[in-house]
Amino acid sequence: EAQVTQNPRYLITVTGKKLTVTCSQNMNHEYMSWYRQDPGLGLRQIYYSMNVEVTDKGDVPEGYKVSRKEKRNFPLILESPSPNQTSLYFCASSFGVGQPQHFGDGTRLSIL
Amino acid sequence: AQSVSQHNHHVILSEAASLELGCNYSYGGTVNLFWYVQYPGQHLQLLLKYFSGDPLVKGIKGFEAEFIKSKFSFNLRKPSVQWSDTAEYFCAVNAGNYGQNFVFGPGTRLSVLP
Repeated sequence: EAQVTQNPRYLITVTGKKLTVTCSQNMNHEYMSWYRQDPGLGLRQIYYSMNVEVTDKGDVPEGYKVSRKEKRNFPLILESPSPNQTSLYFCASSFGVGQPQHFGDGTRLSIL
Repeated sequence: AQSVSQHNHHVILSEAASLELGCNYSYGGTVNLFWYVQYPGQHLQLLLKYFSGDPLVKGIKGFEAEFIKSKFSFNLRKPSVQWSDTAEYFCAVNAGNYGQNFVFGPGTRLSVLP
């Protein structure tokens, strides 16, 4: 079954404690992306990746890092999380830029 | 920079009513346009997309959207909504050709009353 898998689905943690949210897709997609969803703001793109070892900033990259060492995986790293990063996060992938994206089920992060 | 606006924050309709959700974007070049739906507690799913050609595109579940280039609009329509259409709807834009990022609108919450 074609899918985008994110882990964990829920996480409550404290300010400053490094965390990683994993994202994996099984569709051999080249394009992958991370979004955060906040009430009234819709989805805002954090980072995207055109292919292995090719990443770039989206609209709200501050406080986040990503890596793309393998085609299927695109982890999101918060080196020093802060409360303003409390949000619902979605990973998405597509065959190429501009193509419809497949979304994961989301990760709800709470930073205390 | 691209931006996307959706006119309605929350729309409440009765079953069988007609639906139109507005979407406007700001980008002067070629665009790829999308509507996504997010049912409560679920991830986003693609409703329909426009890349080129016929400006009236049909999607799943009876939805359609019309691209009007002169108005920078891509409004979503459905002639008769059902209770199961209760969800949040997002318009999204990707700048065509070499655009690499996606911009989503803030979303419109649709509540359909039985």
